[in-house]
Amino acid sequence: GAVVSQHPSWVICKSGTSVKIECRSLDFQATTMFWYRQFPKQSLMLMATSNEGSKATYEQGVEKDKFLINHASLTLSTLTVTSAHPEDSSFYICSAAGGPISYEQYFGPGTRLTVT
Amino acid sequence: GQQVMQIPQYQHVQEGEDFTTYCNSSTTLSNIQWYKQRPGGHPVFLIQLVKSGEVKKQKRLTFQFGEAKKNSSLHITATQTTDVGTYFCAGPSTGGFKTIFGAGTRLFVKA
Repeated sequence: GAVVSQHPSWVICKSGTSVKIECRSLDFQATTMFWYRQFPKQSLMLMATSNEGSKATYEQGVEKDKFLINHASLTLSTLTVTSAHPEDSSFYICSAAGGPISYEQYFGPGTRLTVT
Repeated sequence: GQQVMQIPQYQHVQEGEDFTTYCNSSTTLSNIQWYKQRPGGHPVFLIQLVKSGEVKKQKRLTFQFGEAKKNSSLHITATQTTDVGTYFCAGPSTGGFKTIFGAGTRLFVKA
């Protein structure tokens, strides 16, 4: 149990377009979902924390108007990268808390975004 | 701000050798977690330590939480090629609403 999926697993888009990434907890209700960004060979950088039905809490330096997060239900959170630029190219990973082990974060497989 | 530091950044070992990564927090932690990320994969939870001085074992992996609850270590005995990946420690932020990840230690194992 405690599976988190992400869709798409990879996406290539043109500069200036918007991309939506979905994060779903498949077999549990996620009280909180987290969005991370990871550059090659680097650690996870927390972008924002989202709770179902409320506005996401963004980390310092993360533009909330550029990275739109919607946590519409206890099993779905979406991250929309608006007006994407090449510097937004990265590996985006979501995680969810609230599974069988309360303190564990269950990570999705990640989405590789390439902006051309 | 609160920081979680890990050393070394990289470690190359010969298969069969031991490996240790160290984690230090700038603040006292209520708990510490360890994750493993295989190349091209996503982080997978390994374990959580809660008690001061706690030691837990998972087969060849030994996890320790310091007495002051500010440092931790992960030791792998007799590494195998399947141990390759990046090991992250992580602790809750002050207030506990988010998790602070260390920079990770990347383990390379040569057969």
